[in-house]
Amino acid sequence: DVVMTQTPVSLPVSLGGQASISCRSSQSLVHSNGNTYLHWYLQKPGQSPQLLIYRVSNRFSGVPDRFSGSGSGTDFTLKISRVEPEDLGDYYCLQSTHFPDTFGAGTKLELK
Amino acid sequence: EVQLVESGGGLVQPGRSLKLSCAASGFTFSDYNMAWVRQAPTKGLEWVASISYGGSNTHYGDSVKGRFTISRDNAKSTLYLQMDSLRSEDTATYYCARGRIFDYWGQGVMVTVSS
Repeated sequence: DVVMTQTPVSLPVSLGGQASISCRSSQSLVHSNGNTYLHWYLQKPGQSPQLLIYRVSNRFSGVPDRFSGSGSGTDFTLKISRVEPEDLGDYYCLQSTHFPDTFGAGTKLELK
Repeated sequence: EVQLVESGGGLVQPGRSLKLSCAASGFTFSDYNMAWVRQAPTKGLEWVASISYGGSNTHYGDSVKGRFTISRDNAKSTLYLQMDSLRSEDTATYYCARGRIFDYWGQGVMVTVSS
């Protein structure tokens, strides 16, 4: 199975500041069709997860441009600029290139 | 508006069975692969199973393979998860999610396996 190593576990931030979360995979996430199926989700307290970024860098409908995704191969990053209160919660990366789909362990974004 | 509504959770004894349902609306259900994802209390997300849009292809996580069965009824726009031989470690909130990128999620349903 592909292991997704997500860091940091906890990320204290100030409102208006910037946050960066890393996700590294144990093998390349480039599919044989050329696409890379690496996605990012936010789970706010008491809520279901919600899709932020799909296939590395594509913002999902309604997601503010403060969120951006980048990376390739085995190394991926989610950046949040100008952090707002509604951005706080648990962030997860997911790879769906190889079965079984595997999630990172999560990063808790919290106020400093 | 896309909606996914899970039901069927509850308290069940180890070794017993439970069947979850996920009623979909607001989109053409038969056009999408679907999946179940679970989250144990205070833990992270774990993919459980996926099914192709027509239902002919299914995939399972190692922890549930041989015990859980994912299925769908496209005429009823409903996804199912039959859970047999339940164990305490299956205790979790179970979410259904749409597509291969999990772009929409249900509100989740709690399953507690305990004697």
